[in-house]
Amino acid sequence: SQQGEEDPQALSIQEGENATMNCSYKTSINNLQWYRQNSGRGLVHLILIRSNEREKHSGRLRVTLDTSKKSSSLLITASRAADTASYFCASTGNQFYFGTGTSLTVIP
Amino acid sequence: DVKVTQSSRYLVKRTGEKVFLECVQDMDHENMFWYRQDPGLGLRLIYFSYDVKMKEKGDIPEGYSVSREKKERFSLILESASTNQTSMYLCASSLEIKGNSPLHFGNGTRLTVT
Repeated sequence: SQQGEEDPQALSIQEGENATMNCSYKTSINNLQWYRQNSGRGLVHLILIRSNEREKHSGRLRVTLDTSKKSSSLLITASRAADTASYFCASTGNQFYFGTGTSLTVIP
Repeated sequence: DVKVTQSSRYLVKRTGEKVFLECVQDMDHENMFWYRQDPGLGLRLIYFSYDVKMKEKGDIPEGYSVSREKKERFSLILESASTNQTSMYLCASSLEIKGNSPLHFGNGTRLTVT
């Protein structure tokens, strides 16, 4: 399988804390993308980081990429209850290869 | 904003039935995709299409076929539904191939085969 993996599988934090999710992938990539999925809905694109970038910010999101380790991390700062969702990374070469997701619960 | 619309949110079908899942996008995207999502397995690519009447197999095409007669519409067909095809099906479209632009997803169709 070409799929990657997210770690941890589940994460529960208090509102206001930071949440960090990690992603490992298997193939060389064009870029890496992070998506969010609310329960029972489709995925929504959050951020794209290209293979020649090491870090990218978007609002409360910070993404890092280490191509030598084939890994990426997503940091959500000052979390809110509305951030409760599943988060997926997708490495992209000829196709999109999705990880299995991290389920984040933010407790008010 | 790109809108990807899947025709049904929930479907219940019987084993052996032929099932059509429809997907329409409104942003003139060349590329369209069908995934299925199962707990613990993430998203797995069934088929994708990079142009009208073109299709490519993904990782798990067995038991499925697709149709792309118009640019905006990509249909997934279960020729003879089986219980192991009970799943969430997600359609997506993108402007560029090979992941150089984001995927835009529909809200999914939860299919139950009894």
